[in-house]
Amino acid sequence: NAGVTQTPKFRVLKTGQSMTLLCAQDMNHEYMYWYRQDPGMGLRLIHYSVGEGTTAKGEVPDGYNVSRLKKQNFLLGLESAAPSQTSVYFCASTRRQGHGYTFGSGTRLTVV
Amino acid sequence: GQQLNQSPQSMFIQEGEDVSMNCTSSSIFNTWLWYKQDPGEGPVLLIALYKAGELTSNGRLTAQFGITRKDSFLNISASIPSDVGIYFCAGLNYGGSQGNLIFGKGTKLSVKP
Repeated sequence: NAGVTQTPKFRVLKTGQSMTLLCAQDMNHEYMYWYRQDPGMGLRLIHYSVGEGTTAKGEVPDGYNVSRLKKQNFLLGLESAAPSQTSVYFCASTRRQGHGYTFGSGTRLTVV
Repeated sequence: GQQLNQSPQSMFIQEGEDVSMNCTSSSIFNTWLWYKQDPGEGPVLLIALYKAGELTSNGRLTAQFGITRKDSFLNISASIPSDVGIYFCAGLNYGGSQGNLIFGKGTKLSVKP
């Protein structure tokens, strides 16, 4: 049972490049989330999904898009990367609202 | 929007010391959770609290859901080196933030030189 798996673990992008971060969970969880973590800022919610085929904006959605075509996968896309998007990105999932989230081990993204 | 104030921001521990940290909010929460994040890893759930006044332990960790439902604290007794990391509180108000968890900014625990 792998839990929540994020790929890649590290990535360096040039400004203007695009990329997709993949999150996969094998726990049959309905809810999935993408967070970014920056020093002194804690965890900030980018986008989330309450089930297959649904997505919604979180606290800091600008510059990101997401898709949840399959229940087990939640993709985070950066269409045109900017240095301000340098961060550590975490995916999380949960079976029901109000219950603890299971987090992946993160993707460290640097935009130069 | 809803915010959690977590304190202290950082603290240094010596092996064997007891540690205390807390989270407060101006809003009422239905659930309080405490997470720990080791360097290079994602946060891991330590304790979940679902009822006002609830006191729950997990080994050397004890957390309480405040009676006013606006605060929670986490205590670590007899700290050991592997307690080092960042501790996050998280709260949920079913009627706000679309039912998503709100996270504090974390308390960073380091070892005294």
